[in-house]
Amino acid sequence: NAGVTQTPKFRILKIGQSMTLQCTQDMNHNYMYWYRQDPGMGLKLIYYSVGAGITDKGEVPNGYNVSRSTTEDFPLRLELAAPSQTSVYFCASNPTGGNEQFFGPGTRLTVL
Amino acid sequence: GDSVTQMEGPVTLSEEAFLTINCTYTATGYPSLFWYVQYPGEGLQLLLKATKADDKGSNKGFEATYRKETTSFHLEKGSVQVSDSAVYFCALRESGGGNKLTFGTGTQLKVEL
Repeated sequence: NAGVTQTPKFRILKIGQSMTLQCTQDMNHNYMYWYRQDPGMGLKLIYYSVGAGITDKGEVPNGYNVSRSTTEDFPLRLELAAPSQTSVYFCASNPTGGNEQFFGPGTRLTVL
Repeated sequence: GDSVTQMEGPVTLSEEAFLTINCTYTATGYPSLFWYVQYPGEGLQLLLKATKADDKGSNKGFEATYRKETTSFHLEKGSVQVSDSAVYFCALRESGGGNKLTFGTGTQLKVEL
């Protein structure tokens, strides 16, 4: 099993550009999450999903959109990139919403 | 709402020194508590967990005890190694089976020879 994979690893965007961060898991987990990690701020939940077709907002959803058309994939969309979205983005999954979350390696995004 | 407070880093220790990273929490009921570790350039990995008061989680020489009376879950290791250098995150999951985690801000540990 590859676990949770994320692409790209690094990306630089200009203000106003859009992009999609990809996240795929091969563990057949129902629950998937997107976090952003800012220096000294820990992880903040952006969006999460409890299964295909179901998504919900987390703590910091503004400026982002998600979709969950399959169990495996949970892409995160930035429509109009802003410097405040410069961060490291982590995708995670778990089978039942319970204890352990499995994290991907992250995407480092810079908006200039 | 729920929150987790960790000691600020970086914490710099010599190899074989004793480690304590403090973590306290605010939550209603009886949350589950976790320590995650993030090695350089990688995602977070679960290090240990405790799901009820007085439980002790342990893994790879690390330990933490769920103290309801002091709302704490301090991480300890008796003898750190250079390979333990990483960022450590304390986290909680709300009681009642919630499916979201609340993370602390992380504590960077640097272990030197």
